[in-house]
Amino acid sequence: GDSVTQTEGQVTVSESKSLIINCTYSATSIAYPNLFWYVRYPGEGLQLLLKVITAGQKGSSRGFEATYNKETTSFHLQKASVQESDSAVYYCALRSDTNAYKVIFGKGTHLHVLP
Amino acid sequence: EAAVTQSPRNKVTVTGGNVTLSCRQTNSHNYMYWYRQDTGHGLRLIHYSYGAGNLQIGDVPDGYKATRTTQEDFFLLLELASPSQTSLYFCASSGGQGTDTGQLYFGEGSKLTVL
Repeated sequence: GDSVTQTEGQVTVSESKSLIINCTYSATSIAYPNLFWYVRYPGEGLQLLLKVITAGQKGSSRGFEATYNKETTSFHLQKASVQESDSAVYYCALRSDTNAYKVIFGKGTHLHVLP
Repeated sequence: EAAVTQSPRNKVTVTGGNVTLSCRQTNSHNYMYWYRQDTGHGLRLIHYSYGAGNLQIGDVPDGYKATRTTQEDFFLLLELASPSQTSLYFCASSGGQGTDTGQLYFGEGSKLTVL
C-alpha cells in the first residue's frame, strides 16, 4: 500500500540555521502521487504549508521549499534560516491515484527552534 | 476561507462510555475525513465519506463508527470507549472535484481522554 516515511521524530535547530526534514514515499499506482507538507502550530489544527502535484517541480511557502524527486521518491522540506516561530510539527503527506481521495500522512517531525 | 468546526474540543469519559465527536464544514466540500493523531504514529485515517449517507473505511476503523448525515456534518461515534482511544482527533474536508489536488482543510482538533 501507499506510505510516507519521516525518519526524524524530533529536530532541534538554532535560530537562523538551516533546516532539512526528510520525507520519502511509496505509492502503488503507476502515476505520480500529489505531495504535501502540512504544519501544526501549538494549539491549532493542521494547515497546508505547500504542495506539489507534478514530479520534478518545487513548491515553496513562508521560506520553506520542497522538491518532488521521482527518482529518489523523496520530498524533503528545507529552509535556509529558521525562526523561533517555525517551531511546530511538520507532516509530509501524499494522495495517490489508486484511491484518489485518500490522503496518507507520515508520522510527523517536531521542530524545536532554539532562540 | 475554508471552515471546519469540531465539537467538543475536549472530552473526558470513562471506559465503556459513549462518545460522539461532531464535525461541520462550510466549504461545500464533498469529502470529509476523521483522523486520529498520536505521538509516534502521526495521523491515521479512521473513516471518510464522499457525501451524505456514504461511509468509507480508513486504516484504523476498529472501535469506531461514523455517519455523514448531510454534506456539512460528519460524526464519529465511540460506543464503548477504551483507554486506547485516548487521542487527538482531527476532522478534515476536501473538494473532491475533478481538479481537486487533495488538499485537506482541518478543524482544530478534539482531545479525547478515556479513563
